[in-house]
Amino acid sequence: NAGVTQTPKFRVLKTGQSMTLLCAQDMNHEYMYWYRQDPGMGLRLIHYSVGEGTTAKGEVPDGYNVSRLKKQNFLLGLESAAPSQTSVYFCASSGIESRAFFGQGTRLTVV
Amino acid sequence: GIQVEQSPPDLILQEGANSTLRCNFSDSVNNLQWFHQNPWGQLINLFYIPSGTKQNGRLSATTVATERYSLLYISSSQTTDSGVYFCAVALPAGGGNKLTFGTGTQLKVEL
Repeated sequence: NAGVTQTPKFRVLKTGQSMTLLCAQDMNHEYMYWYRQDPGMGLRLIHYSVGEGTTAKGEVPDGYNVSRLKKQNFLLGLESAAPSQTSVYFCASSGIESRAFFGQGTRLTVV
Repeated sequence: GIQVEQSPPDLILQEGANSTLRCNFSDSVNNLQWFHQNPWGQLINLFYIPSGTKQNGRLSATTVATERYSLLYISSSQTTDSGVYFCAVALPAGGGNKLTFGTGTQLKVEL
């Protein structure tokens, strides 16, 4: 049972490049989330999904897009990366009214 | 939005000591969770505890929802307890169990 798996684990982008972060969960959870973690600021919600085919904005959605075409996958896209998007990105999933489980994180550097 | 405050921000303990971490939140919640982020960055769910008391080994947690606070107790601390402890809450309205995180308590356990 792998839980929540994120790929890649590390990535360096040049300003203006695009990329997609992949998240997969095998717990049949309805809800999935993307957070970013910056020093001294805890985790902040970027986008989330309450089920297959749905997405919604979180606290800091600007510059990101998401898609949930399959229940087990949640993709986070950066169309034109900026240095301000240098961060550690975490994907999480949870069932209805239950605990959240996190992936191992993706460390992204935009130069 | 809801405010989540954790105290103390930093804590240094000798191995074997006990400690209490506090989480205050500004609104009624239906979901409160405690996480441990280890030195390698992995986020581990410790407790799902919207109210009441739970225990898991040397760790226990209590949430008093009516007074809007939660406590995490660590007994007989070990060096492996080092890392950052986060409290996260979700509001009943809005759906999706969207968690808002505190800024964490950085714990270091020394020999």
